[in-house]
Amino acid sequence: GAVVSQHPSRVICKSGTSVKIECRSLDFQATTMFWYRQFPKKSLMLMATSNEGSKATYEQGVEKDKFLINHASLTLSTLTVTSAHPEDSSFYICSARATGGMGTDTQYFGPGTRLTVL
Amino acid sequence: GNSVTQMEGPVTLSEEAFLTINCTYTATGYPSLFWYVQYPGEGLQLLLKATKADDKGSNKGFEATYRKETTSFHLEKGSVQVSDSAVYFCALTISGGYNKLIFGAGTRLAVHP
Repeated sequence: GAVVSQHPSRVICKSGTSVKIECRSLDFQATTMFWYRQFPKKSLMLMATSNEGSKATYEQGVEKDKFLINHASLTLSTLTVTSAHPEDSSFYICSARATGGMGTDTQYFGPGTRLTVL
Repeated sequence: GNSVTQMEGPVTLSEEAFLTINCTYTATGYPSLFWYVQYPGEGLQLLLKATKADDKGSNKGFEATYRKETTSFHLEKGSVQVSDSAVYFCALTISGGYNKLIFGAGTRLAVHP
C-alpha cells in the first residue's frame, strides 16, 4: 500500500512553455501533498504544501505565480511550471501524507519527474 | 529552529562491511524521525521510522534508534550489499501543522563487491 505516482516521469520542453506534473495517491486519501525540488546531488527543497480544496502554502523564495499548485481532490495534486526557463530544469518530487489510521506523520513519495527546459 | 545534520559522504564500503551513517537533529517539541533511501534515478522510499524516544525502527536489515539524550538517529546495517548503494536521507517532522519533513543533506553510499 501507500503508493504515489507521478506523471510524466520525464518531460522536455521549450523555453517559454508551461508544463503540468500530476501527483496521485493510488491507494489512500491524502489531505496534504507536498512538492519538492531536488538539484543534482543535493537534498530536497520543499517548495509548497498543498491541501485539498484550499490554496497552497509556498515556502519563502518560491514564486507562487510561476509554480501553480492545484489540489483538486484527496488523491490528486498538480504542479504547473509556467513559462519555463532552463533554470527551472530539475527533478520535481511530490509526496502525500495519509489521513486517518495509516500513520499521519509519514509522507509517501512519488518517483519524481525530470524536467528539462531547452 | 528545526534541523537535521548528517555525516558527509560519500561512504564507500566493501560488500558485507558494517555501515553506520550518523544523523543528529535539533527540534522544538517532539519530532518523529525517518530514514529515506533514494536509489539512482528514483524517488525517495521510506526505509524506517521512529516516533518516540527509545523506539527502534528497522527494515531490510537496517535499523536506527531514537536517542533523545543525544538527539541522534544513526542508521546501521550489519552487512551491506551492492544493492544498498543509494543516497540515504535522515529527516524529521514535528507534530501538528502539516507535518513538514525537514531533510538532512543526504549521504551517498557506494558498496563495492
